[in-house]
Amino acid sequence: ETGVTQTPRHLVMGMTNKKSLKCEQHLGHNAMYWYKQSAKKPLELMFVYNFKEQTENNSVPSRFSPECPNSSHLFLHLHTLQPEDSALYLCASSQAEGPIEETQYFGPGTRLLVL
Amino acid sequence: DQQVKQNSPSLSVQEGRISILNCDYTNSMFDYFLWYKKYPAEGPTFLISISSIKDKNEDGRFTVFLNKSAKHLSLHIVPSQPGDSAVYFCAAFISGTYKYIFGTGTRLKVLA
Repeated sequence: ETGVTQTPRHLVMGMTNKKSLKCEQHLGHNAMYWYKQSAKKPLELMFVYNFKEQTENNSVPSRFSPECPNSSHLFLHLHTLQPEDSALYLCASSQAEGPIEETQYFGPGTRLLVL
Repeated sequence: DQQVKQNSPSLSVQEGRISILNCDYTNSMFDYFLWYKKYPAEGPTFLISISSIKDKNEDGRFTVFLNKSAKHLSLHIVPSQPGDSAVYFCAAFISGTYKYIFGTGTRLKVLA
């Protein structure tokens, strides 16, 4: 497996469910990102992890909880979501060297539907 | 307030002709710009980038132009091919912030 992978690719959940999205990168990168893409809106950055430490939290509601156990894996734990959270969730990674980050490479995304 | 704007939601071009996709930004602190291509059911794929110290970068059929005074960048695809049909996103960031700001995308359709 190469590049950035995400599982599951599709997820339907009720508002009371708890689920997790998984991202894995095989590029040897040390920075990982969660983005949300809603219809007709730009990609919105949610979380950034650099060397496993969270460096950015873009005012994301607490019903989204990220976890980065190592530099290759990133999770997004979901609980008590709302229908407006339905969107495409994209994971990305990059090689961050000093103050300069490099190009981000994206996974295929998880299409989430909250009923 | 949207810092990166792609004002054309869609564009149709005949195969073999030039496709020009445009992007405007408002933050003069951005120092790195990228273009991504996205097919349905896939994540965005990196295409080409440009640093703010340059005004042009070329890679095969793809050329990105940056006009800092106008806060405008464009992506030229020559010649356009049907396989180029996709949504194109421009993105900008300030070095060291880890924060890409994306436009809303332009859907390009190349007609055979």
